[in-house]
Amino acid sequence: EVQLVESGGGLVQPGGSLRLSCVASGFSIRTYCMGWVRQAPGKGLEWVANIKGDGSEIYYVDSVTGRFTISRDNAKNSLYLQINSLRDEDTAVYYCAREGETVAGNYYYYGLDVWGQGTTVTVSS
Amino acid sequence: EIVMTQSPATLSVSPGERATLSCRASQSVGSNLAWYQQKPGQAPRILIYRASTRATGIPARFSGSGSGTEFTLTISSLQSEDFAVYYCQRYNNWPPWTFGQGTKVEIK
Repeated sequence: EVQLVESGGGLVQPGGSLRLSCVASGFSIRTYCMGWVRQAPGKGLEWVANIKGDGSEIYYVDSVTGRFTISRDNAKNSLYLQINSLRDEDTAVYYCAREGETVAGNYYYYGLDVWGQGTTVTVSS
Repeated sequence: EIVMTQSPATLSVSPGERATLSCRASQSVGSNLAWYQQKPGQAPRILIYRASTRATGIPARFSGSGSGTEFTLTISSLQSEDFAVYYCQRYNNWPPWTFGQGTKVEIK
């Protein structure tokens, strides 16, 4: 079964840091672009960041640039999100998601087709 | 930044009826649009990508159409399990990707 499992969320004070992890099973992330999407309480979805399979390309939404760092370890089939300088508005459920796949040098995007169950980050003093 | 606008915010539909959801982009995204369904307490699930291609395992009652700036998700005959929030997402050119604000489909 193809699955993503996030961990690492919790309660943190403003200005604090957390490292979120996402472990994939049932497939190898090596050829996939992987990303993070968040959802504030009672709000819609916000795409946060993604990273290509070989790590060669990384993108962030403007609101997290300079504070969040996405990374991956293909050998561990894992994705990470280091979140620093946390603000109240970063409070959200953070989802790990599978994006496009690179096959024979071509990139194919089928939407965010596999999602984890989410991990909750709460920023509060 | 490309802004995605969904309408209506809430759609009240009786079981068995058709539901039509709209998504508008502030500039052309070609056919680079996906639709997702989210139920309370659950992660989103992809329904449609490339504007009109159903994802694996998605029932035929879900269909997507449109290109450029205007897109539609149609649920031909609403089942009880279809009452949820639906989001569109554009993925043309480069990230950051953007989602619409969502349409809640509720029981009439």
